[in-house]
Amino acid sequence: SQQGEEDPQALSIQEGENATMNCSYKTSINNLQWYRQNSGRGLVHLILIRSNEREKHSGRLRVTLDTSKKSSSLLITASRAADTASYFCATDDDGANNLFFGTGTRLTVIP
Amino acid sequence: DAGVIQSPRHEVTEMGQEVTLRCKPISGHDYLFWYRQTMMRGLELLIYFNNNVPIDDSGMPEDRFSAKMPNASFSTLKIQPSEPRDSAVYFCASSLGAGVGNEQFFGPGTRLTVL
Repeated sequence: SQQGEEDPQALSIQEGENATMNCSYKTSINNLQWYRQNSGRGLVHLILIRSNEREKHSGRLRVTLDTSKKSSSLLITASRAADTASYFCATDDDGANNLFFGTGTRLTVIP
Repeated sequence: DAGVIQSPRHEVTEMGQEVTLRCKPISGHDYLFWYRQTMMRGLELLIYFNNNVPIDDSGMPEDRFSAKMPNASFSTLKIQPSEPRDSAVYFCASSLGAGVGNEQFFGPGTRLTVL
């Protein structure tokens, strides 16, 4: 299946540090999205990067996409305790109208 | 807009009982998705609708699960009969336009516990 895999599964950092999460996928995509899920809540869309883009920024978020390696990374700079959440990448299967979510990275930011 | 609305937020039932989960998508969104999330299997797509029509139900685990979307503002996911292994958080999400290039908006989820 197209389901992505995030790496690492869990990450614990100090407030102020940067957090990097990686996502690998299997087949061709049109776009890749990153979502955040706070404990007990639904997923919230963070950023979308298209297959012809290599890098995208949104506030403290920086996303890169390497289609040749079928991988993406999400960088959160100057992390805050409020960034504590699970982060998921989601890809489409070229031609599909639904998204395939990865297994998630659980980020803990220690104040 | 209130976002995607799901009810109930929590449901505890006994094995064998019928369970009905409800979802109201964001007005104007023409795609609706039902997901199930567990620790073991992560987030799984169960079924999705486009303009109230089921498009792909290949993720529905078995015949005990059924989903309907009688109109653009309401969808149900029914489990009959329920089993303990159905315990999970069920999310509904909606999107505007084809899912490929559009973000999905998730509801708060329904936490189902089957005893």
